[in-house]
Amino acid sequence: EPEVTQTPSHQVTQMGQEVILRCVPISNHLYFYWYRQILGQKVEFLVSFYNNEISEKSEIFDDQFSVERPDGSNFTLKIRSTKLEDSAMYFCASSDGLANYEQFFGPGTRLTVL
Amino acid sequence: RKEVEQDPGPFNVPEGATVAFNCTYSNSASQSFFWYRQDCRKEPKLLMSVYSSGNEDGRFTAQLNRASQYISLLIRDSKLSDSATYLCVVNTPPDNYGQNFVFGPGTRLSVLP
Repeated sequence: EPEVTQTPSHQVTQMGQEVILRCVPISNHLYFYWYRQILGQKVEFLVSFYNNEISEKSEIFDDQFSVERPDGSNFTLKIRSTKLEDSAMYFCASSDGLANYEQFFGPGTRLTVL
Repeated sequence: RKEVEQDPGPFNVPEGATVAFNCTYSNSASQSFFWYRQDCRKEPKLLMSVYSSGNEDGRFTAQLNRASQYISLLIRDSKLSDSATYLCVVNTPPDNYGQNFVFGPGTRLSVLP
């Protein structure tokens, strides 16, 4: 069964450093998303991406964040200057746009900012 | 009022019990609805979409009441493996186009032997 994959599984970084989180969505999917989940809190939407551009973004997704689809398979989330409060689990998801845009999630990257 | 609210939980039930989860949403323009489950420190996994006519998948039954802005999930004959946090997810696309998935806080279920 096709699945979304994410790397790395755990990233530790110093405050102020840039990080890039990587995702490989399901191959025939056209819609891509990033979410975050701070430990003990609910899943929060960050951004959606379709046709090589951002389609929606939340208030959390400020100028420190950017997304890119550098090739036909990868989808990346960059945080330019990490803050302590960026520590969270980051989930990538993808959808084929059918069935009410059902989304399938990757296993997540745990980001720890020290 | 929060966009998506769920029973606070946790629910502790014996194996074989029937358990029901409730969810309410605030935006009447919401268009699609889902139940996901999330195991500890894992990703959300799609359990089922929720349709206006109600839908069933084995031991799981989902209902939607648009007038009351209410969604439910019923689990019959609960198994130990059903232990997880159940997430209600509502899609309220801005301008009736695109997607804006809002997750509820989740209700934790523990099925006890």
